[in-house]
Amino acid sequence: NAGVMQNPRHLVRRRGQEARLRCSPMKGHSHVYWYRQLPEEGLKFMVYLQKENIIDESGMPKERFSAEFPKEGPSILRIQQVVRGDSAAYFCASSPPHLLNTEAFFGQGTRLTVV
Amino acid sequence: SQQGEEDPQALSIQEGENATMNCSYKTSINNLQWYRQNSGRGLVHLILIRSNEREKHSGRLRVTLDTSKKSSSLLITASRAADTASYFCATYPNTGNQFYFGTGTSLTVIP
Repeated sequence: NAGVMQNPRHLVRRRGQEARLRCSPMKGHSHVYWYRQLPEEGLKFMVYLQKENIIDESGMPKERFSAEFPKEGPSILRIQQVVRGDSAAYFCASSPPHLLNTEAFFGQGTRLTVV
Repeated sequence: SQQGEEDPQALSIQEGENATMNCSYKTSINNLQWYRQNSGRGLVHLILIRSNEREKHSGRLRVTLDTSKKSSSLLITASRAADTASYFCATYPNTGNQFYFGTGTSLTVIP
């Protein structure tokens, strides 16, 4: 049973380009969470998705950022027109249908560098 | 900020000593979890403690939870150089549907 898979592990984009980050949850997990971690800081919640539904996107910036978790395939975090301030590590976590009293399993993260 | 502030921000100890990290939070929670992050890596789950539990052990780890004070502590006994990492607490509030992370404690264990 593979863990949460994120790709790419490292991504370099020029200012103004688009970044697409992928997350494949653990088998049997239908809930996906995206977090952003700036250097030397903790993780900040961005968005919580179930299959084909965005449950909570209160941590997502209003512009340029979007996320989806289609019925088939990985969850995608999309950042349009990237700026230097988007440089960070983006972590995805997945959990079983009932998060109550269960742990979330994290991927290794995608490190985005905007040059 | 919703939840989770760890104290201290950084801790440096000799191998074999015990390390204690604290976490304070703001709202009622369902559970609290501790995670570990090695430099440049993802997070690894260490232990989960439910709101109706006061103490939990796992190997060299001991976690306490005081819901009246809204605080938790993580104790690592007989530390090893391999324990060097950042440690985060994460809370799952009663009225939420996500984890809130603190800013972490950076632990350095000197061989």
